Amino acid sequence: GAGVSQSPSNKVTEKGKDVELRCDPISGHTALYWYRQSLGQGLEFLIYFQGNSAPDKSGLPSDRFSAERTGGSVSTLTIQRTQQEDSAVYLCASSLWAGDIQYFGAGTRLSVL
Amino acid sequence: AQSVTQLDSHVSVSEGTPVLLRCNYSSSYSPSLFWYVQHPNKGLQLLLKYTSAATLVKGINGFEAEFKKSETSFHLTKPSAHMSDAAEYFCVVSPLIQGAQKLVFGQGTRLTINP
Repeated sequence: GAGVSQSPSNKVTEKGKDVELRCDPISGHTALYWYRQSLGQGLEFLIYFQGNSAPDKSGLPSDRFSAERTGGSVSTLTIQRTQQEDSAVYLCASSLWAGDIQYFGAGTRLSVL
Repeated sequence: AQSVTQLDSHVSVSEGTPVLLRCNYSSSYSPSLFWYVQHPNKGLQLLLKYTSAATLVKGINGFEAEFKKSETSFHLTKPSAHMSDAAEYFCVVSPLIQGAQKLVFGQGTRLTINP
């Protein structure tokens, strides 16, 4: 079956622009997660959704970052006024329920020039 | 708070020889522990998971890991390396008390296989 799908796979943007990253979880998975992978910080948790609500958004690095999930399915991570330090690979994962194994997408590589 | 330390940033072995990737964890609770693998330009793939059922955990592709509470370790091993094992490996901890909502990753170990 289909795995976690992320789009775009690569995104190049100019400093100060807004970007939207999309995640399509595995069908039927109720929990969805966003992580960031960067050279300096490694892999970091950003936010977690159970259904459409986000019980844990403690990892969002600043108020420029936001995320939403609609219909208990697709999620969008939005970064406003991008900065060069936002350059990273953004990974999405989903699990059947909170506490189950997380399955990862291939990620979106964001480059801020 | 939970954390993991991967003791080697890079491990290089010859094809057909054993692999050992070391991981120590810190957790206030009984943790879930995982090993994930990441091949270039691919997503993270789960190798194996420990959740207190058995201390020796067998995973995919011949990998296994042993949970040692006294040493707070969860080292990953494989008896015989294959060229396809070349990748980045991550040791991961997640608190059982809240479920696996927030995985905490180690810094990763890059495994190189020499022909």
